[in-house]
Amino acid sequence: AQTVTQSQPEMSVQEAETVTLSCTYDTSESDYYLFWYKQPPSRQMILVIRQEAYKQQNATENRFSVNFQKAAKSFSLKISDSQLGDAAMYFCAYRSYDDKIIFGKGTRLHILP
Amino acid sequence: DTGVSQDPRHKITKRGQNVTFRCDPISEHNRLYWYRQTLGQGPEFLTYFQNEAQLEKSRLLSDRFSAERPKGSFSTLEIQRTEQGDSAMYLCASSPPLAGGETQYFGPGTRLLVL
Repeated sequence: AQTVTQSQPEMSVQEAETVTLSCTYDTSESDYYLFWYKQPPSRQMILVIRQEAYKQQNATENRFSVNFQKAAKSFSLKISDSQLGDAAMYFCAYRSYDDKIIFGKGTRLHILP
Repeated sequence: DTGVSQDPRHKITKRGQNVTFRCDPISEHNRLYWYRQTLGQGPEFLTYFQNEAQLEKSRLLSDRFSAERPKGSFSTLEIQRTEQGDSAMYLCASSPPLAGGETQYFGPGTRLLVL
């Protein structure tokens, strides 16, 4: 069975600085999708970025980018120029062949003004 | 607003009562998912539909839980004889057919508290 591990329960970063959130996963599949979702306090979960496993190029969305290491089964999220609005729970997620999404336990990100 | 909507947003009930939640997916999204999220955890898959067909149910979904999507549009999740352990956020998500179907779009959730 696939698993997703986020080893950092909480992280803090100074506003305007860069922070990297870690995620590792375990799977025997060769083709899959990985996601980072953001869940602000009392607000709904929104997609931050997605990565197709068959693509070697790392996905980028404005200030958000990933470092996808397929062999190492690692999928970290880098947030550049952190803003107060980035404060949230961040979930790493894996989409399995049977269309389910498996989430990690999340990393709570604090932005320090 | 054309996002996924859920109703109610909050529900407080007494143990042993039945509750029903509704999810309206994004228009033309043929797949609909239910997840449960407890405090400090990531969402856990419960079940999903493709159109009106329920394709998979998690072992988390005991016999007290039932989900329907009768016309392939909105879905309901019913919990019978609620228990305190059912207290959680229940999330609904939908995804479009074919290209782009890998991404699920989430609703705001229904927060259930069982007293």
